[in-house]
Amino acid sequence: DAGITQSPRYKITETGRQVTLMCHQTWSHSYMFWYRQDLGHGLRLIYYSAAADITDKGEVPDGYVVSRSKTENFPLTLESATRSQTSVYFCASREPRTGSGNTIYFGEGSWLTVV
Amino acid sequence: GESVGLHLPTLSVQEGDNSIINCAYSNSASDYFIWYKQESGKGPQFIIDIRSNMDKRQGQRVTVLLNKTVKHLSLQIAATQPGDSAVYFCAENMGDNYGQNFVFGPGTRLSVLP
Repeated sequence: DAGITQSPRYKITETGRQVTLMCHQTWSHSYMFWYRQDLGHGLRLIYYSAAADITDKGEVPDGYVVSRSKTENFPLTLESATRSQTSVYFCASREPRTGSGNTIYFGEGSWLTVV
Repeated sequence: GESVGLHLPTLSVQEGDNSIINCAYSNSASDYFIWYKQESGKGPQFIIDIRSNMDKRQGQRVTVLLNKTVKHLSLQIAATQPGDSAVYFCAENMGDNYGQNFVFGPGTRLSVLP
C-alpha cells in the first residue's frame, strides 16, 4: 500500500550522536513536513518543504537539519542528539491547498530515545 | 498566540452510545479544520474535515460541527465501537500556502467501555 513510510520506526541513540530519520512518500505530494509529538503537547512543526530543494523552518527547528533532493524523500537529521529530542517524530505530506482545503497525511512515526 | 485546545482530556463512553469530542480554537481567521484519530503506536489518521463556510459535515458514523460564533468544533461519533478507542485531536489551518500553520490540539483520549 502506498503512502508515507518512515524508518527506523524505533531508535535508541546516545547523546551527541548523529541520527537520521528517513521519510519516503509515494503520492508525489509537493509539500512535506516533520513534526514531533510530546506528551501534553500537540504536534509541533520542525521543518517543512514546499518542493525539492526548498525547505523552511517550523516552530521548533533548533538541533535539526533537513534536505529534500528528491520530491519523494525528506530525511530529518539530528546533528548531535540531546535528551530533549527524545520524542515521536512524524513525517507528513499534502498537496498544494485548493479551494476545498487539503488535509495533511501522516506516516506511522519514528520513536526516538536519546540516552 | 493562537491555539487549539480540547475541553476534555479523557472521555469514557459505553459501547453503542454516541460520543462527542470538543475542541476550542482561538483564531477567528482559521478557515479549515480537521479531526484526526490516533491509535496507540500509530500515526494520526484523517477522519473528517470542514471548511469555515460550512457548519456541519457528515461522514460515515461521524459528524463535525463548526460554530464560528464561539470558535468551537466538535466531533460526534455515532454508535461508538471498541475500535473507536483512540486519541482524537483537532487541527486548524489559517489559509497558509504550504500548511505550515496547521495548529494541532493535544488530544482527547476516548475509551469505549464494553
